Amino acid sequence: ETGVTQTPRHLVMGMTNKKSLKCEQHLGHNAMYWYKQSAKKPLELMFVYSLEERVENNSVPSRFSPECPNSSHLFLHLHTLQPEDSALYLCASSQALSTDTQYFGPGTRLTVL
Amino acid sequence: DQQVKQNSPSLSVQEGRISILNCDYTNSMFDYFLWYKKYPAEGPTFLISISSIKDKNEDGRFTVFLNKSAKHLSLHIVPSQPGDSAVYFCAASRNAGNMLTFGGGTRLMVKP
Repeated sequence: ETGVTQTPRHLVMGMTNKKSLKCEQHLGHNAMYWYKQSAKKPLELMFVYSLEERVENNSVPSRFSPECPNSSHLFLHLHTLQPEDSALYLCASSQALSTDTQYFGPGTRLTVL
Repeated sequence: DQQVKQNSPSLSVQEGRISILNCDYTNSMFDYFLWYKKYPAEGPTFLISISSIKDKNEDGRFTVFLNKSAKHLSLHIVPSQPGDSAVYFCAASRNAGNMLTFGGGTRLMVKP
């Protein structure tokens, strides 16, 4: 596999479920990102990790919990979500936190019932 | 309050003609601007960027223009091709960092 992969591609969950989104980058990058794209809204940056350290948390509710165990993997743990959390969740990576190009995964389409 | 806005949700252009996609921003601290292209079921892919020290950057059929005084940038695609049909996102960052703020996107349809 090359580039940035995300699993699952589609996820339907109830409000009481716990699930995790996975992102893996095969590019040797040091920075990884989670974005959320809700219907008719711009992409919103949620979390930024650089060298496995979280450097940005854009006022994201605690029901979203990121984890970066190593520079190649990024998780987004989901717990007691709301229907308004239904969105496309995109992962991206870049070589560094400078203006290096970000490479995006295909996203996980999440539906919360 | 959206700091980066793409006011045209869609644009339809004939093949071979010029496509002009527009983007406005409100934060004068933004100093780096990017355009991404997104096909259905794929993540956005980087297209072209421009630093605030420039007013134009060209890469093949794609040119980005930056008007700092108007806080406006545009992407020109010429000639447009059917394969250019996609959603185009404008993004901005400040302090040469990588915390991108995205616009809402413009869907471009290039008709054969």
